[in-house]
Amino acid sequence: SQQGEEDPQALSIQEGENATMNCSYKTSINNLQWYRQNSGRGLVHLILIRSNEREKHSGRLRVTLDTSKKSSSLLITASRAADTASYFCASNQAGTALIFGKGTTLSVSS
Amino acid sequence: DTGVSQNPRHKITKRGQNVTFRCDPISEHNRLYWYRQTLGQGPEFLTYFQNEAQLEKSRLLSDRFSAERPKGSFSTLEIQRTEQGDSAMYLCASSKNFGEFGTNEKLFFGSGTQLSVL
Repeated sequence: SQQGEEDPQALSIQEGENATMNCSYKTSINNLQWYRQNSGRGLVHLILIRSNEREKHSGRLRVTLDTSKKSSSLLITASRAADTASYFCASNQAGTALIFGKGTTLSVSS
Repeated sequence: DTGVSQNPRHKITKRGQNVTFRCDPISEHNRLYWYRQTLGQGPEFLTYFQNEAQLEKSRLLSDRFSAERPKGSFSTLEIQRTEQGDSAMYLCASSKNFGEFGTNEKLFFGSGTQLSVL
């Protein structure tokens, strides 16, 4: 079963533009995380935001969390071709495993 | 390379055969997870170990699947009597966490084993 649902499913932008991906989840959560996956590879952790946090930054990444709407967004600023990948949100409740969404496929063209 | 290592990278087998995958986690990590991923989907949780104890197993997991982590280090995932529906990428991840399970778990993933069942 999937806890999170990302939107859009696919996103194509030019280098230098910003990319915004959204994630909605169904139940109350302990934390929400974003991961990146390059084609045919494993996932790489990007950022974790706790349920009592509303916004977090890491380099060109900005994550927001709205627990009242059960949603999160990932913003990548000044995108680069190397950002081309699939991005997944994942969340869990205390005592449960991390559950992933279906992902957003981002294509950044130069 | 001190990351999570999975072997083999690719496995092609005939329906009905048994297959076994190996995962070597980051050495100081006490928790190890197995996920399965099919094309266009996110990783689906299969099972989880803390040290050598298997503490959670997905209710969706068939009895044909079994996992072990005998000494709390590497882990194996065996699929018996494989079916075409088992074709997927099998991902292993590890983490170092001594808090309650599910509390701020940041996972480190291997590159996966791609299984094709003919």
